[in-house]
Amino acid sequence: AQTVTQSQPEMSVQEAETVTLSCTYDTSESNYYLFWYKQPPSRQMILVIRQEAYKQQNATENRFSVNFQKAAKSFSLKISDSQLGDTAMYFCAFNAGNTPLVFGKGTRLSVIA
Amino acid sequence: DAGVIQSPRHEVTEMGQEVTLRCKPISGHDYLFWYRQTMMRGLELLIYFNNNVPIDDSGMPEDRFSAKMPNASFSTLKIQPSEPRDSAVYFCASSTPTSGTTEAFFGQGTRLTVV
Repeated sequence: AQTVTQSQPEMSVQEAETVTLSCTYDTSESNYYLFWYKQPPSRQMILVIRQEAYKQQNATENRFSVNFQKAAKSFSLKISDSQLGDTAMYFCAFNAGNTPLVFGKGTRLSVIA
Repeated sequence: DAGVIQSPRHEVTEMGQEVTLRCKPISGHDYLFWYRQTMMRGLELLIYFNNNVPIDDSGMPEDRFSAKMPNASFSTLKIQPSEPRDSAVYFCASSTPTSGTTEAFFGQGTRLTVV
């Protein structure tokens, strides 16, 4: 069974600074996908970034980037130039093709002015 | 497309009552998922469908929970009878892996409170 672990229940960062959220996963699959979702207080689940396991290049989306270490089964999210609107719960998630997403427990990020 | 649409957004009911949550997936998506979110357990998969057929319902907590997908554009999650421990946010999500991406698109969730 696949598992996703987020070891940081809460984090905080000063506005304009950089923060990194950690995620590790366990799977025996060779082809899979990793995601970071953001859940603001509105509770909408918003996809932030995705990474295909077969791609060696780390994904980036504007201020968001990942550090994907396949051998270590690690998938961290870096948020640069943090903004107040980045305050939210962040969930790391995994799936293998057509299987449902498996989520970590989440990290609550607070951006402080 | 309007995205995944769930109704109601909030539901307050008394213990023992029947509750029905509704979901309209994104048109063309062939997978539909029901998740439950609580503080203690995070996001848990309850059941998912492919082309309207239930594929895995092992996450459904007990026989009080049932889900149907009578057609490609509608699904329901029913709890009968409801109990206070069912209080949670219930999410519906849909996806279409054949598009080349496998992420799920979520509705805004239904916050259920059973008193």
